[in-house]
Amino acid sequence: EAQVTQNPRYLITVTGKKLTVTCSQNMNHEYMSWYRQDPGLGLRQIYYSMNVEVTDKGDVPEGYKVSRKEKRNFPLILESPSPNQTSLYFCASRGAGLNQPQHFGDGTRLSIL
Amino acid sequence: KQEVTQIPAALSVPEGENLVLNCSFTDSAIYNLQWFRQDPGKGLTSLLLIQSSQREQTSGRLNASLDKSSGRSTLYIAASQPGDSATYLCAVGRKLVFGQGTRLTINP
Repeated sequence: EAQVTQNPRYLITVTGKKLTVTCSQNMNHEYMSWYRQDPGLGLRQIYYSMNVEVTDKGDVPEGYKVSRKEKRNFPLILESPSPNQTSLYFCASRGAGLNQPQHFGDGTRLSIL
Repeated sequence: KQEVTQIPAALSVPEGENLVLNCSFTDSAIYNLQWFRQDPGKGLTSLLLIQSSQREQTSGRLNASLDKSSGRSTLYIAASQPGDSATYLCAVGRKLVFGQGTRLTINP
């Protein structure tokens, strides 16, 4: 089954404790991205990757890092999480064609205390 | 900077009605427009993608239209069912700029 898998689904942690949210897709997609969803602000792009070793900032990259060492994986790293990063996070992927639909994971709900 | 607006924010209708959800965007230079569905506790599911050269796309009871010149798209849902209850989001472009969604409730 074609899918985007995020882990963990839920995480409560404390300020400053480094964490990584993993994202994996099994569709051989070139393009992967991370979004956060906040009430009143909607979905905003954090980072995206056009292919292995190619990443770039989205609209709200501050406080986040990403890497793309393998085509299927695109982890999101919070080196020193802060309470304002409490949010619902989504990973997405799509093929390289100009008009390919995005496939989303089920989301990761992060709470930073 | 592209901005996407969806009105209304919430809509409640009785089962069986036909309904229209609206999406407007400020920059008409778009690659495509996608409509998504989001269920509580779940990710987004792509419903329809309209390329910039197209005027509409259909899938089952869903029909999406695109008018780039006026910066508008509509999602038409025919013969609504309780299972259609969800939040519907439109997003524009390859990097996906999202509207804030319309929360749809279909009452049995």
